[in-house]
Amino acid sequence: SQKIEQNSEALNIQEGKTATLTCNYTNYSPAYLQWYRQDPGRGPVFLLLIRENEKEKRKERLKVTFDTTLKQSLFHITASQPADSATYLCAHYNKLIFGAGTRLAVHP
Amino acid sequence: NAGVTQTPKFRVLKTGQSMTLLCAQDMNHEYMYWYRQDPGMGLRLIHYSVGEGTTAKGEVPDGYNVSRLKKQNFLLGLESAAPSQTSVYFCASSGAEADTQYFGPGTRLTVL
Repeated sequence: SQKIEQNSEALNIQEGKTATLTCNYTNYSPAYLQWYRQDPGRGPVFLLLIRENEKEKRKERLKVTFDTTLKQSLFHITASQPADSATYLCAHYNKLIFGAGTRLAVHP
Repeated sequence: NAGVTQTPKFRVLKTGQSMTLLCAQDMNHEYMYWYRQDPGMGLRLIHYSVGEGTTAKGEVPDGYNVSRLKKQNFLLGLESAAPSQTSVYFCASSGAEADTQYFGPGTRLTVL
């Protein structure tokens, strides 16, 4: 069955550094991968969508890459800030499958 | 423009009781979804709807029923609650199948 895997361990980084989160999927490639941000006690909020024919997508300090050969998407936050601390979810859109998310903590 | 709202925010049930969770959206979206989120697990799709009057099963539909009588509302019912249904439930809507999903704030349900 289709699975989305994200690193379950929290990622701790220093303010100003680049955070890189990984999303791996099994079986067939999705036409779209989406990334969401979720703060404690709140619903997920959409950040970026990348299509299978796109290698990279950017939005302000955010960058997403999509490698269908590796079956992997990377999510980067450059010049990270404490306000970026949250859980980030990856979603295989065709099958409406979400990963469990990776918690990011940015320390001053 | 409230987006997606969910009622109630919190609920405690005893095993065997029934309840209905209400989701409402004011964005005129065709697609609506119900997910549950458990610790250490991703959002899991319970049921979804591609339009008024239509519903379909998701990954974990057992023990739940849904109805979409009006385009803006999507109801999730638990006929006989079980402790395994203790979870946080999220409703979402989107304008099209591959479109951005807008999530509600969630309902935290505890079944004793």
